[in-house]
Amino acid sequence: GNSVTQMEGPVTLSEEAFLTINCTYTATGYPSLFWYVQYPGEGLQLLLKATKADDKGSNKGFEATYRKETTSFHLEKGSVQVSDSAVYFCALSDLANAGNMLTFGGGTRLMVKP
Amino acid sequence: DAGVIQSPRHEVTEMGQEVTLRCKPISGHNSLFWYRQTMMRGLELLIYFNNNVPIDDSGMPEDRFSAKMPNASFSTLKIQPSEPRDSAVYFCASRPTGAGNTIYFGEGSWLTVV
Repeated sequence: GNSVTQMEGPVTLSEEAFLTINCTYTATGYPSLFWYVQYPGEGLQLLLKATKADDKGSNKGFEATYRKETTSFHLEKGSVQVSDSAVYFCALSDLANAGNMLTFGGGTRLMVKP
Repeated sequence: DAGVIQSPRHEVTEMGQEVTLRCKPISGHNSLFWYRQTMMRGLELLIYFNNNVPIDDSGMPEDRFSAKMPNASFSTLKIQPSEPRDSAVYFCASRPTGAGNTIYFGEGSWLTVV
């Protein structure tokens, strides 16, 4: 079956530090990959996505590249801000094998200190 | 579009009482999901509907939980009788069919059972 593994948090960084949150996946088919962000008291919202190998998704300074050879979709940001403090979820969609469901990782909490 | 609309946003109820959570998905989205989120267990998929038909309810914890989708614009999640361990945030989400399509979450229903 499909699965997503994320690094456990919390990840604590100082403002303007470089961020990497690792995500690896296992999928039967050719999935689309997503990063979602959850701010305190809110639902999850899409941060970025990539639908095929070597695609790079980007948004709000965050980037992630779909690496089929390493089955990874690591999230990066060059300079984090306090406002980036949130929980980040990696997810995959494998329509052919799992219908319209998404498989989510366990989430990684990011805390950015001023 | 108003997004996925959930009600109530907050509910405090006594153990043994019936709880009904409601969801209006985004118009045109043919998949609807109910998730539960707690600190201990993270984000869990409870049930997934496609075109108003339950496709996967393997995540529903026990017989006290039931979900219905009588039409494309409305779904309910019912807990009867409620227990303190049901205290959690319950999210409804909807998504159009397609591997690269985004899933959209509501703001959640925060349930406390005392």
